[in-house]
Amino acid sequence: DAKTTQPTSMDCAEGRAANLPCNHSTISGNEYVYWYRQIHSQGPQYIIHGLKNNETNEMASLIITEDRKSSTLILPHATLRDTAVYYCIVSRASGGSYIPTFGRGTSLIVHP
Amino acid sequence: NAGVTQTPKFRVLKTGQSMTLLCAQDMNHEYMYWYRQDPGMGLRLIHYSVGEGTTAKGEVPDGYNVSRLKKQNFLLGLESAAPSQTSVYFCASSYRTGADYGYTFGSGTRLTVV
Repeated sequence: DAKTTQPTSMDCAEGRAANLPCNHSTISGNEYVYWYRQIHSQGPQYIIHGLKNNETNEMASLIITEDRKSSTLILPHATLRDTAVYYCIVSRASGGSYIPTFGRGTSLIVHP
Repeated sequence: NAGVTQTPKFRVLKTGQSMTLLCAQDMNHEYMYWYRQDPGMGLRLIHYSVGEGTTAKGEVPDGYNVSRLKKQNFLLGLESAAPSQTSVYFCASSYRTGADYGYTFGSGTRLTVV
């Protein structure tokens, strides 16, 4: 099963771009990369996902390397409300189904 | 459209008591999951279901049972609660997994076993 590695914590100044890296070197060809965030023990919130191409939505951009072994979540203009734990997950296979497995994530602190 | 609703939101149990956590989704999702989250930890999968009438074990299934009698509901049971089961429990659902679909989470149930 593909595993992910993320830095334990990061910080960013308000208004600046926050770039959160994720390593998933054992990802297989049909596995997607998902990003979620969890604000203060609320339920995790979906941010973005991708397979091989870069993706952008109203919340963030996802940059996936050509070899798919790593990715970066970009919050283009971080605000104080973006302070949260960010999880990078790869959907893994279990008995024919793909089940999301969460690590400890990256704790992002956005400061004024 | 409520999404994923968990009840109750908070509960305190005595060791040895039993209880059932209810997860309900109104999005017609096929797949449902139960996770637990301990302080400073990520989410660990307890059990999951890929359809009505089917369930499967996750990473930490011991001490829990589940049932999926209706597509929209996924129940998590603790038959004899232990202090080690003090945690925040999250339910999630999805149309299916892996291929281009995301997961919707509930707001959590905070369970304390004394």
